[in-house]
Amino acid sequence: QKEVEQDPGPLSVPEGAIVSLNCTYSNSAFQYFMWYRQYSRKGPELLMYTYSSGNKEDGRFTAQVDKSSKYISLFIRDSQPSDSATYLCAMSWRNNAGNMLTFGGGTRLMVKP
Amino acid sequence: SQTIHQWPATLVQPVGSPLSLECTVEGTSNPNLYWYRQAAGRGLQLLFYSVGIGQISSEVPQNLSASRPQDRQFILSSKKLLLSDSGFYLCAWRGSDYSPLHFGNGTRLTVT
Repeated sequence: QKEVEQDPGPLSVPEGAIVSLNCTYSNSAFQYFMWYRQYSRKGPELLMYTYSSGNKEDGRFTAQVDKSSKYISLFIRDSQPSDSATYLCAMSWRNNAGNMLTFGGGTRLMVKP
Repeated sequence: SQTIHQWPATLVQPVGSPLSLECTVEGTSNPNLYWYRQAAGRGLQLLFYSVGIGQISSEVPQNLSASRPQDRQFILSSKKLLLSDSGFYLCAWRGSDYSPLHFGNGTRLTVT
């Protein structure tokens, strides 16, 4: 079992829809949670960074963390064709070597006009 | 503001040839630096990371090596490329262990 599970998709939605992207994890030591957006042939771009359980909102994006269920979500409101990309979740945890990062495999999102 | 530069954007190299990919970060000092590889349709694989000049940690034993000759410069190298070295190579930095990663735009390497 992978430490971080993320449905690869593709997820296809019509323009204007609310999108829900999710990751589950097994390591209760994860402390920090991130969402990245990656366009084709580009590097991942940081969208959201959060530490605590609950919601964090930034424009059309809302990140939700539920540590008790080991589940994080990214919601996109009023989705646009420009939101079509691969979304990666990432989680940070600490070991003797320092703070390590684990990435999900990414969910490919397609928003159709 | 901080920026990360990675070059070249694309590279086609024959099997057995050497490799040198360079990454530099501007606008910060003593960053943690990382090299990742992303195979088509697969996740990010951490190759190397560095917390300071000359300090390199390798996560995956393979045909590649990394060096950090200056505070904000990170180099990925190979003496002889293999076909399996093809992929999308990403450099990333963060200011501290508790900061998120920031990625460059990557180098697409094709070994023929």
